[in-house]
Amino acid sequence: GAVVSQHPSRVICKSGTSVKIECRSLDFQATTMFWYRQFPKKSLMLMATSNEGSKATYEQGVEKDKFLINHASLTLSTLTVTSAHPEDSSFYICSAQTSGRIYQETQYFGPGTRLLVL
Amino acid sequence: AQKVTQAQTEISVVEKEDVTLDCVYETRDTTYYLFWYKQPPSGELVFLIRRNSFDEQNEISGRYSWNFQKSTSSFNFTITASQVVDSAVYFCALSESLGGNNRLAFGKGNQVVVIP
Repeated sequence: GAVVSQHPSRVICKSGTSVKIECRSLDFQATTMFWYRQFPKKSLMLMATSNEGSKATYEQGVEKDKFLINHASLTLSTLTVTSAHPEDSSFYICSAQTSGRIYQETQYFGPGTRLLVL
Repeated sequence: AQKVTQAQTEISVVEKEDVTLDCVYETRDTTYYLFWYKQPPSGELVFLIRRNSFDEQNEISGRYSWNFQKSTSSFNFTITASQVVDSAVYFCALSESLGGNNRLAFGKGNQVVVIP
C-alpha cells in the first residue's frame, strides 16, 4: 500500500517552455500533497504544501507564479514549472499524506522527476 | 524551529559490517514524529520507519534497527550485516503534529557506500 507515482520521470525542455509534472496517489486518498526540490548531493527542500480543493501554501522564497500547483482531486496534484530556465533544472519529488488511520502522519514519496532545461 | 542534524556525510563500510547512522533533532514541541527514509540511486524516497515522541521503544526490522533516546534527542539507525543493496542516502526527518499538514524537516542525509 501507499504507492505514489510521478509522471514524467524525466523531461528535457527548451528554455521558456512550461512543464507539467503529475503526482498521483495510487491506492489511497491524499488529503495533503507536498512538492520538494532536490539538488545533487543535497537534501530535500520543501517548495509547497497543497490540500485538495484549496490553494497551495508556498515556502518562503518559492515563486508561486513560477511553480503552479493544482490539487484538483484526492489522488492527483500537478506542478507546472512556467517559463522554465536552466536554473530550474533539478529533481522534483512529490509526496502524499492521508488522514486515514493506517498511513496517518507519514508522507509517501513518488519516484521523482528529473527536469533538464536547455 | 525544527532542526535535524546528520553529522556523517559519507560512510563507507565493507559488506557484512554494521553501520550506525546518527540523527540528532531539535524541537520545542512535545508531540512530534521522527522518520527515516532511504534514497537509492534511482532517486525515490523509501519510507523505513516512523516513531512518535511518546514511543521510546527501540525497533528492529530484519537487519535494520532504530534507537530512540528522547533524553539526548537522538534517533539513530543501524544496519546490521550490510549488503551492497544498502548503498543509498539515508535521511532522518522530523515533523511536528500540525493537525494534518505535517511539514517534514530533513537532515542533510548520510551517503552509505557498501563495498563488496
